[in-house]
Amino acid sequence: DIQMTQSPSTLSASVGDRVTITCRASQSIGDWLAWYQHKPGKAPRPLIYKASSLESGVPSRFSGTGSGTEFTLTISSLQPDDFATYYCQQYNYYSTFGQGTTVEV
Amino acid sequence: QVQLVQSGAEVKRPGASVKVSCKASGYSFTTYGVSWVRQAPGLGLEWMGWISGYNGHTNNAQKFQGRLTMTTDTSSTTAYLELRSLRPDDTAVYYCARDSVGTTGVVDYWGQGTLVTVSS
Repeated sequence: DIQMTQSPSTLSASVGDRVTITCRASQSIGDWLAWYQHKPGKAPRPLIYKASSLESGVPSRFSGTGSGTEFTLTISSLQPDDFATYYCQQYNYYSTFGQGTTVEV
Repeated sequence: QVQLVQSGAEVKRPGASVKVSCKASGYSFTTYGVSWVRQAPGLGLEWMGWISGYNGHTNNAQKFQGRLTMTTDTSSTTAYLELRSLRPDDTAVYYCARDSVGTTGVVDYWGQGTLVTVSS
């Protein structure tokens, strides 16, 4: 199975900060990568697909870059609603989630 | 609207099996697949497996090989996950989620989750 490693595991930030989360794949996955936002008691919400394409309805402050084995999710100006856990997911070969990055105050 | 409604919480003894159902509505069941994802207490999301709503083809994470069976009933637009030989570390919330029909992809709609507790 392809392993996905996110960093950092936890990130402390303030409203207005620029936030970057990294996701590394154990082998090349092309651009078959998605990012999700997950809040307690709610279903995960897809934010980004194919590494850099924004899902419909997702604010433009979210962006994704990368290909091959290294990917990033950037929130350009953190908003109060953005405090959550973020997961990357590869879907090049079957599927694997990263271990998650919690963005906290 | 798209909805995935899962069966209720289960409590099982170690060594038992559990079967979770996922009733889909609001879309054409056979033009999508279903992935199963779980989240153990305090841990992250873990992809378990995928099944095509069109032809029933499956694939699953290697760690569940031999313990996991996924099926669908197109007449009732319901997907099922069965996990056997349960262990305490199988305690988790199990989610079904709508996926691509031909292979795994981005999962867009999720069920509400089913808590499975494995304890003696």
